[in-house]
Amino acid sequence: AQSVAQPEDQVNVAEGNPLTVKCTYSVSGNPYLFWYVQYPNRGLQFLLKYITGDNLVKGSYGFEAEFNKSQTSFHLKKPSALVSDSALYFCAVRAVNTGFQKLVFGTGTRLLVSP
Amino acid sequence: DVKVTQSSRYLVKRTGEKVFLECVQDMDHENMFWYRQDPGLGLRLIYFSYDVKMKEKGDIPEGYSVSREKKERFSLILESASTNQTSMYLCASSPLRQGIYEQYFGPGTRLTVT
Repeated sequence: AQSVAQPEDQVNVAEGNPLTVKCTYSVSGNPYLFWYVQYPNRGLQFLLKYITGDNLVKGSYGFEAEFNKSQTSFHLKKPSALVSDSALYFCAVRAVNTGFQKLVFGTGTRLLVSP
Repeated sequence: DVKVTQSSRYLVKRTGEKVFLECVQDMDHENMFWYRQDPGLGLRLIYFSYDVKMKEKGDIPEGYSVSREKKERFSLILESASTNQTSMYLCASSPLRQGIYEQYFGPGTRLTVT
């Protein structure tokens, strides 16, 4: 079964420092991978996706993610963190079950950026 | 901008009550989804619908049902609410032409069952 794992419940980083939020996946076949962000008191927002092509995917708000097939990872990165990046981040993978496609989400990682 | 709205931000219900959560999207999307979000468990898919009057079970459908009578509206029904259904409920939609990849989420309904 397709799944993603987010090994860190929380990541702390100082403003201006680079940040990484980790995600590993388990799929059969080619993985379709996604990152979503949830700001306080708001719904989830799509950040970026990897379908095929370049291993480095660029998304919204200056975020990017690196697809690594050998390590089955899809880590979210940003070169310089902002306090406003503090939020809950979810990794997701496409799953196909009984002919229907759906997203399977990880457990989430809370990012705290300190001033 | 795609807008997905949910009828209530906060809801408190008693055990055994029948509960309706409403979701409306204004972008003519074919696909609609209901998730519940719990700390440490992430988002789990309850039901989804890819067309009017069509529905498919997700990963945790027990205790829930859904209704999609109009394309823009997708309702989640708790037939007899229980305390273990206290959770944040998120609705989402996506256009068929993009598959299920990019989903647009509503702000969520925090349901407390006492």
